[in-house]
Amino acid sequence: EPEVTQTPSHQVTQMGQEVILRCVPISNHLYFYWYRQILGQKVEFLVSFYNNEISEKSEIFDDQFSVERPDGSNFTLKIRSTKLEDSAMYFCASRKTVSVNGYTFGSGTRLTVV
Amino acid sequence: DQQVKQNSPSLSVQEGRISILNCDYTNSMFDYFLWYKKYPAEGPTFLISISSIKDKNEDGRFTVFLNKSAKHLSLHIVPSQPGDSAVYFCAADSNAGKSTFGDGTTLTVKP
Repeated sequence: EPEVTQTPSHQVTQMGQEVILRCVPISNHLYFYWYRQILGQKVEFLVSFYNNEISEKSEIFDDQFSVERPDGSNFTLKIRSTKLEDSAMYFCASRKTVSVNGYTFGSGTRLTVV
Repeated sequence: DQQVKQNSPSLSVQEGRISILNCDYTNSMFDYFLWYKKYPAEGPTFLISISSIKDKNEDGRFTVFLNKSAKHLSLHIVPSQPGDSAVYFCAADSNAGKSTFGDGTTLTVKP
């Protein structure tokens, strides 16, 4: 069964530092997403990416956030200057088409900002 | 504005009985509705979905019902098994592929 792989599984960083969360989506998928879930809260959409550009982003996805697909396999989320409130589980997801087929999610990266 | 709502934070059922998880939405422009299951320390796993033009979709023990006039959908699991114990998220998709998630319902199936 193809998987979405996320690294690292847990990242601890100091407030103000930059972090890069990495994802390897399923190879023949075309749509890529980042979601996050703050502890005890709902899963929130951050950004969608298709055809090498952002197709939609949420209000959460401000100038501190950026995404890249630097090569044919990796999909990264960068937070330039982390804040305490960025502490959350960050999930990468991909899908082949926009249809009744849901996302395939990775296992997530737990980001802790101290 | 919470566009997708799961009003029951938790549900407990006996093994072998039916589990019914409910979800309400406000945006009539959603194209697809999906259910995900999530275990602790894992990402959500896609379970079953339904197009907005249908009212029922069945896959093994899982059936999703959509009532567009009431803007309501439900997931039925029958028979429920202890391994079904997890958090279940309802999600709704727009044409652009972005999913809006509900808060989740924690299902506990007791042996």
